[in-house]
Amino acid sequence: EDQVTQSPEALRLQEGESSSLNCSYTVSGLRGLFWYRQDPGKGPEFLFTLYSAGEEKEKERLKATLTKKESFLHITAPKPEDSATYLCAVQPGGGATNKLIFGTGTLLAVQP
Amino acid sequence: GAGVSQSPRYKVAKRGQDVALRCDPISGHVSLFWYQQALGQGPEFLTYFQNEAQLDKSGLPSDRFFAERPEGSVSTLKIQRTQQEDSAVYLCASSPRALGETQYFGPGTRLLVL
Repeated sequence: EDQVTQSPEALRLQEGESSSLNCSYTVSGLRGLFWYRQDPGKGPEFLFTLYSAGEEKEKERLKATLTKKESFLHITAPKPEDSATYLCAVQPGGGATNKLIFGTGTLLAVQP
Repeated sequence: GAGVSQSPRYKVAKRGQDVALRCDPISGHVSLFWYQQALGQGPEFLTYFQNEAQLDKSGLPSDRFFAERPEGSVSTLKIQRTQQEDSAVYLCASSPRALGETQYFGPGTRLLVL
């Protein structure tokens, strides 16, 4: 069964304190792994897509990496505006559907 | 900027009422998805359209849920005889082509069934 597990469920950081969020997955052929950010009362906002093990992508203070079994979202010197829920999703390969399978997210709070 | 839009943003329904939720995808996007998000959970897949064809409806929880996209653009998710367990945020997403593309999400419709 295709599954995504994110850890920790919640993380509290001080401004400037770097950390990483984990996304472990089991999937029958990976078409892509996606990271989204979700603010309260809003829809998920796209951050990154990773397609193959060893791939890395960066955007401002965020960097996403991918191995065959997990992905990490590294947050360097976070600011309070980085506070949000970070969602990881996989897109299984094969078949006619492009559905995403999401984890339950990591709620990040960055305190000034 | 024309992103994905959804309406209404909030809907309160009495148990047993029918509701209709609308999604306007990004213009020209081929693929359209509906997801259901319960409080504190990640979105869960409901159904997928490629143009007007509904290619996957495996996530629809019961036959009270029905979705359509008759002209390959706007989509409607209809829930008949709503139940309290239908209370959730319903998210719509679209992507430019048929396979392997990033999905862009709308703001969601928050449904509360009393």
